[in-house]
Amino acid sequence: QSALTQPASVSGSPGQSITISCTGTSSDVGSYNFVSWYQQHPGKAPKLMIYEGSRRPSGVSFRFSGSKSGNTASLTISGLQAEDEADYHCCSYAGRSTYVFGTGTKVTVL
Amino acid sequence: DVQLLESGGGLVQPGGSLRLSCAASGFIFGSYAMIWVRQAPGKGLQWVSTISASGDNTYYADSVKGRFTISRGNSKNTLYLQLNSLRVDDTAVYYCTKVAGGDYFDYWGQGTLVTVSS
Repeated sequence: QSALTQPASVSGSPGQSITISCTGTSSDVGSYNFVSWYQQHPGKAPKLMIYEGSRRPSGVSFRFSGSKSGNTASLTISGLQAEDEADYHCCSYAGRSTYVFGTGTKVTVL
Repeated sequence: DVQLLESGGGLVQPGGSLRLSCAASGFIFGSYAMIWVRQAPGKGLQWVSTISASGDNTYYADSVKGRFTISRGNSKNTLYLQLNSLRVDDTAVYYCTKVAGGDYFDYWGQGTLVTVSS
């Protein structure tokens, strides 16, 4: 049950695109197409942004997209906006109703 | 609207116990698995425990197995987490979340802070 590996921080200027990686193992990310991403502003609860690797819930901006290759999932934010500045957490299903989260990434809009 | 409202957090000494509750509304509570997730100060999220929709099946992270117990009262639309033998490293905000599709969490509570300190 080791945490998935994410970069501690990623930054970009308004309008740019950034990508956050989430690296797991063949027991979690590599075994299931069940990676989700959560946005968390300071002092707030996490919010679902992407589920099942690349699907967006209703109400989430099309600027957020997800993908996966092997044991690594990625979240891309295009057209970066000030409101996107937050912490982002990935999560993978790990079998038998267990889950593993990533180490978290702080996104800074320059 | 779906709402999840946690309560029961507080300050407790090492070795002590607490019972967290999560009151759910706005959806058919007994039809969904639920989980507890925690976040230590300045750290990432950590899955703690899952309970099936019926309550018959429970799962725990290794770090809390044998100390924490998840349960639910479907007639009361309430999720619980009994925390025993608390340690300093259990200090965290504890969130309850609704499981959707079996693999992601579409609604979260606002969290309740548990502080373990002497």
